[in-house]
Amino acid sequence: ELKVEQNPLFLSMQEGKNYTIYCNYSTTSDRLYWYRQDPGKSLESLFVLLSNGAVKQEGRLMASLDTKARLSTLHITAAVHDLSATYFCAVDGGYGTASKLTFGTGTRLQVTL
Amino acid sequence: SAVISQKPSRDICQRGTSLTIQCQVDSQVTMMFWYRQQPGQSLTLIATANQGSEATYESGFVIDKFPISRPNLTFSTLTVSNMSPEDSSIYLCSVEGQRQFFGPGTRLTVL
Repeated sequence: ELKVEQNPLFLSMQEGKNYTIYCNYSTTSDRLYWYRQDPGKSLESLFVLLSNGAVKQEGRLMASLDTKARLSTLHITAAVHDLSATYFCAVDGGYGTASKLTFGTGTRLQVTL
Repeated sequence: SAVISQKPSRDICQRGTSLTIQCQVDSQVTMMFWYRQQPGQSLTLIATANQGSEATYESGFVIDKFPISRPNLTFSTLTVSNMSPEDSSIYLCSVEGQRQFFGPGTRLTVL
């Protein structure tokens, strides 16, 4: 059974600081997703990582994937208040492009002034 | 990217009743997925809906409680049957693709 662990569960950080969220998973997969969820909202797709060593960047967020270590990271650079949200990683345990996702526990990020 | 809509966006229901949630996609897709997000929790896959065949349910979810229809390649429904307060959750549909997009969700409260 595929298990996905995220840490930390909660992260309070000051504006301008850097931090990393970690996502570990238990079985081989070739597709990992990062999502953002604002309170009361649905999931916003941030990144999909498809191969070992993949790195994607969008604004202050950068995601990477190490399939050998079964580890993905979401790095936040110079945080701003607008990044406050819950971030989920999800691992594809399905087949082809029909993704059956197992989600991590989520990391609630709070960026303070 | 697929545009996914869900109806209703929210509902408050009485214990013992049933609610059917609709999911509409703006393009044809083979696989649609239904997820549940309980309050303060992560998402859990309920079932995979493939057009032309019965839905495939994950461990802990059964067809009698969560019947699913998939009449065509752009539409699916999930029914939450004989509801109890423990069914209070956000229910989200998702579709296959390179970037797994999610619908806006249906927030269900059961009293």
